[in-house]
Amino acid sequence: SQKIEQNSEALNIQEGKTATLTCNYTNYSPAYLQWYRQDPGRGPVFLLLIRENEKEKRKERLKVTFDTTLKQSLFHITASQPADSATYLCALDLRGNAGNMLTFGGGTRLMVKP
Amino acid sequence: EPEVTQTPSHQVTQMGQEVILRCVPISNHLYFYWYRQILGQKVEFLVSFYNNEISEKSEIFDDQFSVERPDGSNFTLKIRSTKLEDSAMYFCASSGSVNSPLHFGNGTRLTVT
Repeated sequence: SQKIEQNSEALNIQEGKTATLTCNYTNYSPAYLQWYRQDPGRGPVFLLLIRENEKEKRKERLKVTFDTTLKQSLFHITASQPADSATYLCALDLRGNAGNMLTFGGGTRLMVKP
Repeated sequence: EPEVTQTPSHQVTQMGQEVILRCVPISNHLYFYWYRQILGQKVEFLVSFYNNEISEKSEIFDDQFSVERPDGSNFTLKIRSTKLEDSAMYFCASSGSVNSPLHFGNGTRLTVT
């Protein structure tokens, strides 16, 4: 069955370092993949979207890569700050459509220590 | 910045009762969604709504659930005859187009006792 997986273990890093989070998916190749941030008790907040024909996307200290051969996306936060501590979710439409019937990964909790 | 608002933030109901969760999407958005997140689990798609009708729904969204856009601003999720397993955080979201990112509200925590 189609699924999307993120490292369920928390990632602890020191302030100023680069955090790298992984998202793997199976089966269909999605038209695009999205990354969201979720703080406790809050709704997900959209961060970045990367399309199947894009290798890399950047926004300020954030960078996303998308390898459709490996069926993997990497999410990087450079010069991390304690305020970056949150759970990061990847999401895609596993039907391969450019749609919003999104399947979310379980998220990776990032803890940035000062 | 415009945002999606949801009310109430917390709803407690007894098993078997009906609840209505309310959402005000971003005003110029055309696509509306409900997702839910059971405590400690993944965010799950329930339903999408466009042009006053359901466009997609998941297996979770059975006859117990219904959605409605009763006026030009509100979008509601009704759960009939609630069950203990309906306890979850319910998120409303909206988007400007079918393939643009979602804007989520901060959810309604539903507790069924």
